[in-house]
Amino acid sequence: GENVEQHPSTLSVQEGDSAVIKCTYSDSASNYFPWYKQELGKRPQLIIDIRSNVGEKKDQRIAVTLNKTAKHFSLHITETQPEDSAVYFCAAPIFQKLVFGTGTRLLVSP
Amino acid sequence: GAGVSQSPSNKVTEKGKDVELRCDPISGHTALYWYRQSLGQGLEFLIYFQGNSAPDKSGLPSDRFSAERTGGSVSTLTIQRTQQEDSAVYLCASSHGAGGTEAFFGQGTRLTVV
Repeated sequence: GENVEQHPSTLSVQEGDSAVIKCTYSDSASNYFPWYKQELGKRPQLIIDIRSNVGEKKDQRIAVTLNKTAKHFSLHITETQPEDSAVYFCAAPIFQKLVFGTGTRLLVSP
Repeated sequence: GAGVSQSPSNKVTEKGKDVELRCDPISGHTALYWYRQSLGQGLEFLIYFQGNSAPDKSGLPSDRFSAERTGGSVSTLTIQRTQQEDSAVYLCASSHGAGGTEAFFGQGTRLTVV
């Protein structure tokens, strides 16, 4: 099927803790895995992406890991801050169409 | 333009009326997507255009919804005989090529059906 599954749907953490969001995809030919952040009332924006030729990519406090064999990838946010509170979407190309996960609402409490 | 542009930003319409929502993608982007986002919900896929290929209409919720993309650029999403459940934010996104590249979103059109 054409789907990208994302878990959890909501995630609450204390400031300074780490947060992990996981996604699985169905198309073994998928080769590009972006993560988007959507703040309240705003459009989704790309925060990090990874291609299938690498297993991990980092950008300051965020990182993405990819397991092509298991067809899953994860977003890791370390040292979370209140401004990280938002909805996060993963995506993957399924039969060449970018398909989004259902989203994770992250709440970081001070 | 510098980004994906959608118009109008807000639209209030009476139940039963038709509406047209417009999307101007980034110049040169061959892929264009329409999504619907209800309050607090995820991105519901509606339709996908890629180059000269036939559009993927698999996400359109009913035959009241249709979309066109003229000349491989501007797209219009039309909703006929609007219903209250059509109220949502309609987001357009474009990308350079098929699904393997970054998609850029417009600011969305907030549709309210009264």
